[in-house]
Amino acid sequence: GAGVSQSPSNKVTEKGKDVELRCDPISGHTALYWYRQSLGQGLEFLIYFQGNSAPDKSGLPSDRFSAERTGGSVSTLTIQRTQQEDSAVYLCASSISGAIEQFFGPGTRLTVL
Amino acid sequence: GDSVTQMEGPVTLSEEAFLTINCTYTATGYPSLFWYVQYPGEGLQLLLKATKADDKGSNKGFEATYRKETTSFHLEKGSVQVSDSAVYFCALTPYSSASKIIFGSGTRLSIRP
Repeated sequence: GAGVSQSPSNKVTEKGKDVELRCDPISGHTALYWYRQSLGQGLEFLIYFQGNSAPDKSGLPSDRFSAERTGGSVSTLTIQRTQQEDSAVYLCASSISGAIEQFFGPGTRLTVL
Repeated sequence: GDSVTQMEGPVTLSEEAFLTINCTYTATGYPSLFWYVQYPGEGLQLLLKATKADDKGSNKGFEATYRKETTSFHLEKGSVQVSDSAVYFCALTPYSSASKIIFGSGTRLSIRP
């Protein structure tokens, strides 16, 4: 079956612009996660959605970052007023309810000029 | 807070050599432990996992044993191949059910023919 998909695969933007990154989880997976992979910080957790529960936003680095998950499926990560330090690969993962194994998408490489 | 420390790379070995990548963790409670692998140009994949003390995870000839007394989860393989060249991440989830993953910094492994 299809894995986790993310779009776009690459995004180049100018400092100060807003960007939206999309994640389509594996069908039937109720848990969805966003991570960031950057040279200076390694792999960092950003946010976690589980069903209809309030999301765990504890990893979001600033209030410029937000995410939503509509209809319990597709998720969008929004970065407002992008900064050069936001340049990274943004990874999405999903898992079935209660399972510890997460399946990762290919990522979106964001470059802020 | 919870954290993972793994040996820094890069690690370069000849084909058929024995591999050890050290990993230690700090966590309250009873975390689940993982090794993820990222092959060149590909997404993160789960390599193996262990969910309780003394469990041994294994896959593709790789093994790691959950050692609570030394808070370690070292990755080993008896005879590496060129195709094992990749970046390896040690990781944990703080609980026995779905939650965020905390990653180590990654170890780049290169295998010479």
